[in-house]
Amino acid sequence: DAGVIQSPRHEVTEMGQEVTLRCKPISGHNSLFWYRQTMMRGLELLIYFNNNVPIDDSGMPEDRFSAKMPNASFSTLKIQPSEPRDSAVYFCASSRGLGSNTGELFFGEGSRLTVL
Amino acid sequence: RKEVEQDPGPFNVPEGATVAFNCTYSNSASQSFFWYRQDCRKEPKLLMSVYSSGNEDGRFTAQLNRASQYISLLIRDSKLSDSATYLCVVNVLTGNQFYFGTGTSLTVIP
Repeated sequence: DAGVIQSPRHEVTEMGQEVTLRCKPISGHNSLFWYRQTMMRGLELLIYFNNNVPIDDSGMPEDRFSAKMPNASFSTLKIQPSEPRDSAVYFCASSRGLGSNTGELFFGEGSRLTVL
Repeated sequence: RKEVEQDPGPFNVPEGATVAFNCTYSNSASQSFFWYRQDCRKEPKLLMSVYSSGNEDGRFTAQLNRASQYISLLIRDSKLSDSATYLCVVNVLTGNQFYFGTGTSLTVIP
């Protein structure tokens, strides 16, 4: 079975450019999560969706960040304009969601973003 | 205040040693608890769930103390392959939010 698929795996961009990260969750999973990981702050929850609906976006750092989930099999995280402090590894994860939660989050391999 | 607090370490232990990690959580409504393992430059993966009565999986033992709001992980007979970062995770089921600690780094030395 395919796991959570993220793209791109690596991105290097210049400050001010738009960055779009993509995620395909595991089929049948109802919850999707975007995390950011840095050495200083560890794994931070940015936003999560249940059944394609954003439930909690309080972790989104500022208006430069936006996330969408147009359907059950695709989500994007966009940063516009990007800044050097956005450099981090961005993980997407999915789970079976409310009501049947096994506690297991399945993570993608991450998108390593470097903003110069 | 962070939802989950962990000692970042690093813990450097010889092969065969026993090592224990603790973490504390702040939300008394937390319902589920887990330990994840993350290898260098890889994604986190579930190591084990933590049950109220405590549970064991081979060399790994997890304990939960709800009164004190802390979770522990004990690794016996450490192997080189245990070297990784161990992340404490709590889940508040009402919102299905998973909160991660910053992780504890373990290096097992030959």
